[in-house]
Formats: sequence, C-alpha cells, structure tokens
Amino acid sequence: QQQVKQSPQSLIVQKGGISIINCAYENTAFDYFPWYQQFPGKGPALLIAIRPDVSEKKEGRFTISFNKSAKQFSLHIMDSQPGDSATYFCAAANTDKLIFGTGTRLQVFP
Amino acid sequence: DAGVIQSPRHEVTEMGQEVTLRCKPISGHDYLFWYRQTMMRGLELLIYFNNNVPIDDSGMPEDRFSAKMPNASFSTLKIQPSEPRDSAVYFCASSWGGFREKLFFGSGTQLSVL
Repeated sequence: QQQVKQSPQSLIVQKGGISIINCAYENTAFDYFPWYQQFPGKGPALLIAIRPDVSEKKEGRFTISFNKSAKQFSLHIMDSQPGDSATYFCAAANTDKLIFGTGTRLQVFP
Repeated sequence: DAGVIQSPRHEVTEMGQEVTLRCKPISGHDYLFWYRQTMMRGLELLIYFNNNVPIDDSGMPEDRFSAKMPNASFSTLKIQPSEPRDSAVYFCASSWGGFREKLFFGSGTQLSVL
C-alpha cells in the first residue's frame, strides 16, 4: 500500500515534443504529490507539486494532471528541450512519509 | 543560503571500516532527512528528524547504521562496520514543515565499500 508505481522507466523524445510520465498510488492517505527532477551528480530538486483538491496544476511548460478516483497522476512536459534531459521521480506524501516512484530517465534529442 | 551541504562528496573505504557522512541543513529548516539511492531500490528514506529529535528510523537497514543530530545545523550518518552492499549515494535533505513541503536535497555522498 506504500508503493508508488511509475512508468515508463525511460523515455526518448524529440525536441519540441511532449513528454508524459505516469504514476499510480494505492494509499488514500497520501495528500501531497510532488515531482522531483534529478540531474547526474546532483540531488533531486522539486519541480512541481499538487494537492488532491485540484485536478491540474501548470507551471510554465510543466503540468501535473491528477485523477483522485483512479489514484493516478501524471507529468506532462510541453515543448520538451534538451535541457530537460534528466531523471524524473514522482512521489506521494502524507504527514509521516514521502514515498518516491522508481524514476523515469528522460532524453530529449535535438 | 548555500543550500544543504554534504561531505564528503565521495568516500571509498574497505569492508569493515567505519564511515561517517556529514550534513549541514538549510538554516531555519526544522526537518532533516537521510535518503539512500541505489539502482535496485531507488530512493529510500533511512531516518528523519524534527527539531533535532529522531522521529522515524524504521528505514535504517541494520544496527550497523546510526544517525545523530546534535544541533540544528549538523547531522551525521554512521555505518560501522561497513559492507559492500552499503555502496550507494546517500542524500541529506531538509525542509520547513515536513514531507508535505519542498525538500531541499544536498548533492549526496557517493559511498563505495570495497
């Protein structure tokens, strides 16, 4: 019940395309869903986060879509750029825990 | 602020040796977390502190692992004795308000136990 399932494991996208990463959770006690971005040799950094009272949150080219009834959420990266090439982690949290997904390695080619 | 500072950046040691990893959180943050990252297990929470007090150490894999936070600006993670399966990247993170707020991660310590 504590798992967060993330797919795909890796993703290759052309510059200007849309990158989509999906996550699913089981524990309905989770009430905060962040996405972290990690570059090689660096720690993860918060990219965008959503709370379950809204179904979508957009910040620039990054959008989280949240489906509470399906217990699923996804990250959409519009107009993907080579600088977006990194590993992306979804996560789910409540007051006691922050559980990370397994990560998606995104490569954006020019 | 310089962010979360971890040292050393790399540590290579031999099996059986004691290893100490260090972390300086962001000033004013009341939560500190230690995570471990491996290819097989991803990002795992080892232990976290609130106001310098350990709250949950259920993620610490064995008694060989211990963590302390003697004051608000310093924490250590110690492995004694170290084993090859402890090889991983260890991250320290801090936040103001806990898991449901932005976690600021350090750059990590790459530990290799030979």
